[in-house]
Amino acid sequence: EAGVAQSPRYKIIEKRQSVAFWCNPISGHATLYWYQQILGQGPKLLIQFQNNGVVDDSQLPKDRFSAERLKGVDSTLKIQPAKLEDSAVYLCASSPWAGTLANEQFFGPGTRLTVL
Amino acid sequence: QKEVEQNSGPLSVPEGAIASLNCTYSDRGSQSFFWYRQYSGKSPELIMFIYSNGDKEDGRFTAQLNKASQYVSLLIRDSQPSDSATYLCAVENTDKLIFGTGTRLQVFP
Repeated sequence: EAGVAQSPRYKIIEKRQSVAFWCNPISGHATLYWYQQILGQGPKLLIQFQNNGVVDDSQLPKDRFSAERLKGVDSTLKIQPAKLEDSAVYLCASSPWAGTLANEQFFGPGTRLTVL
Repeated sequence: QKEVEQNSGPLSVPEGAIASLNCTYSDRGSQSFFWYRQYSGKSPELIMFIYSNGDKEDGRFTAQLNKASQYVSLLIRDSQPSDSATYLCAVENTDKLIFGTGTRLQVFP
């Protein structure tokens, strides 16, 4: 079974530029998550999709971040404009369901973003 | 107060010893608890999950949960240098995971 795919793996941009990340979850997984992991910290949930609907985006900085999951499969996360503090690894994860007691999430390899 | 707290470490143990990693959480309503291992530069990998009070064993790993004390731990027996990584505790809260900052474990030969 193929895992969660993400691209690009690395991205370096200057502040105020835009950037987009792509995620393809495990086939059949209904729930998709985007996390931000700053160096030395645990992953922080940015947005959660159930199929193509948003379940939770309470920690997404909506003035600069946006995300979509068209057709309930692939997802893109965009930052526009980027700030220095956006430097982090952006992790995509997927889960077969959104049950309350079986929330096993499988992570992709992540995209390491450096904002100069 | 942080929702999920872990000692950042590093926790250094000799090869063959038992490594004990601890985590406390603030939400008494949390039902599911997870331990992820993250090697440097890699993504988190699920190694254990526990839902009920008590111990759960899987190979060299034992997860322990005490909901009354809001405490979850991970024991690694016969630690190996390949166990050197950051261990993230995650707690389920209204269908999303809240992660701690992780404890860095170093196993030296």
